[in-house]
Amino acid sequence: QVQLQQWGAGLLKPSETLSLTCAIYGGSFSGYYWNWIRQSPGKGLEWVGEINHSGGTNYNPSLKSRVTISPGTSKNQFSLKLSSVTAADTAVYYCVRSCRGGTCYDYWGQGTLVTVSS
Amino acid sequence: QSVLTQPPSVSGAPGQRATISCTGSSSNIGAGYDVHWYQQLPGTVPKLLIYDNNNRPSGVPDRFSASKSGTSASLAITGLQAEDEADYYCQSYDSSMSGYVFGTGTKVTVL
Repeated sequence: QVQLQQWGAGLLKPSETLSLTCAIYGGSFSGYYWNWIRQSPGKGLEWVGEINHSGGTNYNPSLKSRVTISPGTSKNQFSLKLSSVTAADTAVYYCVRSCRGGTCYDYWGQGTLVTVSS
Repeated sequence: QSVLTQPPSVSGAPGQRATISCTGSSSNIGAGYDVHWYQQLPGTVPKLLIYDNNNRPSGVPDRFSASKSGTSASLAITGLQAEDEADYYCQSYDSSMSGYVFGTGTKVTVL
């Protein structure tokens, strides 16, 4: 059974850089796309971006200038960095696996609440 | 931000049928991109409910079904149960945005 475990700083000041890491257990990094999706408090879901096992990335155009998704420092990990955060970036961030060969999302991390406040 | 529009809320009595619409456009659902549905129970992580327009992952009851036509899709829940109270989201790909998009979300209440 695939499990995604994520971690990172939960409280940031405006202009700082958000940094989260996701570890994949019970599955392989290869053959899938790995995503970050966020959910603002009381609001809907927003796709942030994705990375594949070759390091190829795609980002939400509205965030592209500030987002970097990269392989993690350890095997079967990947990371998110979002620079110059503002209060609008306050959200629960999820690491998520794309369905194999598809565009759905089948496994989700537990979520990390990131709050941006001065 | 959301380019897929859903009704904010839907309600029904136990045993009844509830239907949630997901309205898109020619750059997403109308372009033929697959639609997926997620269920988010209160305080939990979203769960894949329907994939590729009308397929249920293993373990999802057949009370849940979905369809797609033109620029819209819909999710039906038959035989509503109290445990179905949750937020439901549709999701697809949008070519004009060059990215994946979610619906605005619908809260289902079982009366």
